[in-house]
Amino acid sequence: GQQLNQSPQSMFIQEGEDVSMNCTSSSIFNTWLWYKQDPGEGPVLLIALYKAGELTSNGRLTAQFGITRKDSFLNISASIPSDVGIYFCAGEYNQAGTALIFGKGTTLSVSS
Amino acid sequence: GAGVSQSPRYKVAKRGQDVALRCDPISGHVSLFWYQQALGQGPEFLTYFQNEAQLDKSGLPSDRFFAERPEGSVSTLKIQRTQQEDSAVYLCASSLDGIRDIQYFGAGTRLSVL
Repeated sequence: GQQLNQSPQSMFIQEGEDVSMNCTSSSIFNTWLWYKQDPGEGPVLLIALYKAGELTSNGRLTAQFGITRKDSFLNISASIPSDVGIYFCAGEYNQAGTALIFGKGTTLSVSS
Repeated sequence: GAGVSQSPRYKVAKRGQDVALRCDPISGHVSLFWYQQALGQGPEFLTYFQNEAQLDKSGLPSDRFFAERPEGSVSTLKIQRTQQEDSAVYLCASSLDGIRDIQYFGAGTRLSVL
């Protein structure tokens, strides 16, 4: 079935550093989404991408929808302690949009 | 309420018991989704409702899993004869109108089957 490969699995960085994570698939996706999940909470949408090549920013976050429609990356600039959490990419693969596929997540730890 | 509300937050069941998990979506949201999140994994789609109609149940892992949304708002996910492999966080999400709208997630119900 559909799978999203998300990397890296975990990251340990210093406060103030920039972070980059990505997601790839063997299948074409129509939409790429990036979510953040804090412990004991549900995922919260950070950025949504709807067109191949699209580059979108949300504060310190920047994400891009790959030209091939098979990949996406998320960058976080000048990380702060509250960036700690698990970041998931998700893709919508069905033209009718009946399901989201999630990656396994990137766990981010930030030390001050 | 302001967000998606799920109850209970935690549920411990003995193997073989039936459980029912409740989701209260954001008021006015037409679409409702259930996901299963195993430890260390991303959420996996279970089923999708538009109003009271269950349009996609392709992700339900077995016929022990059943979901309903009889009046088009509150939804219940029922698991019959629970097994240890059913242990996971069950997340509910709702969106204003359709799959392409932003899905807002609840905090989930953590189910532990002993």
